[in-house]
Amino acid sequence: EAQVTQNPRYLITVTGKKLTVTCSQNMNHEYMSWYRQDPGLGLRQIYYSMNVEVTDKGDVPEGYKVSRKEKRNFPLILESPSPNQTSLYFCASSLSGVDEAFFGQGTRLTVV
Amino acid sequence: SQQGEEDPQALSIQEGENATMNCSYKTSINNLQWYRQNSGRGLVHLILIRSNEREKHSGRLRVTLDTSKKSSSLLITASRAADTASYFCASFLADRGSTLGRLYFGRGTQLTVWP
Repeated sequence: EAQVTQNPRYLITVTGKKLTVTCSQNMNHEYMSWYRQDPGLGLRQIYYSMNVEVTDKGDVPEGYKVSRKEKRNFPLILESPSPNQTSLYFCASSLSGVDEAFFGQGTRLTVV
Repeated sequence: SQQGEEDPQALSIQEGENATMNCSYKTSINNLQWYRQNSGRGLVHLILIRSNEREKHSGRLRVTLDTSKKSSSLLITASRAADTASYFCASFLADRGSTLGRLYFGRGTQLTVWP
């Protein structure tokens, strides 16, 4: 089944403790991206990647890192999480970026 | 910001009625997409309309695009309780001279369909 898989689905962590949210797609898509969703603000793009080893900042990249060492994986790294990074995070992929995006189930992160 | 804006923010209707949601964006786009999100879940793609298209249909969905007004509308006909969800428009803006670019989402319309 074609899908984008994120893990974990739920995470509660403490300020400053490094964490990684994984994202994997099985559709051989070139383009992958991370969004955060906050009430009243819609989806805002954090980072995106157009291919292996090619990444770029979205609208809200501060406090986040990404890497794209393999085509199928695009992990989101929070080196030192802060409470303002409490949010619902989505990973998405698409064939080339211009076409429909497939979204993961979301990761609800709480930083205390 | 290129971010699209949906209107209304919330819409409440009875089953069987039609639901119309509007989206406006700021700069020229390559395509515009509509997505649906059930509470707290991932977004699901509904329909994509290219900048050279004016109308597109998919089942009970009808999407129009007016590039002169930089606006789009999503019509759901004969709505059902199961259509209750948030609906987002997303405008795709390509980098100059490239097919690569970014998808910009609006804040969404919360649709509630009462049985």
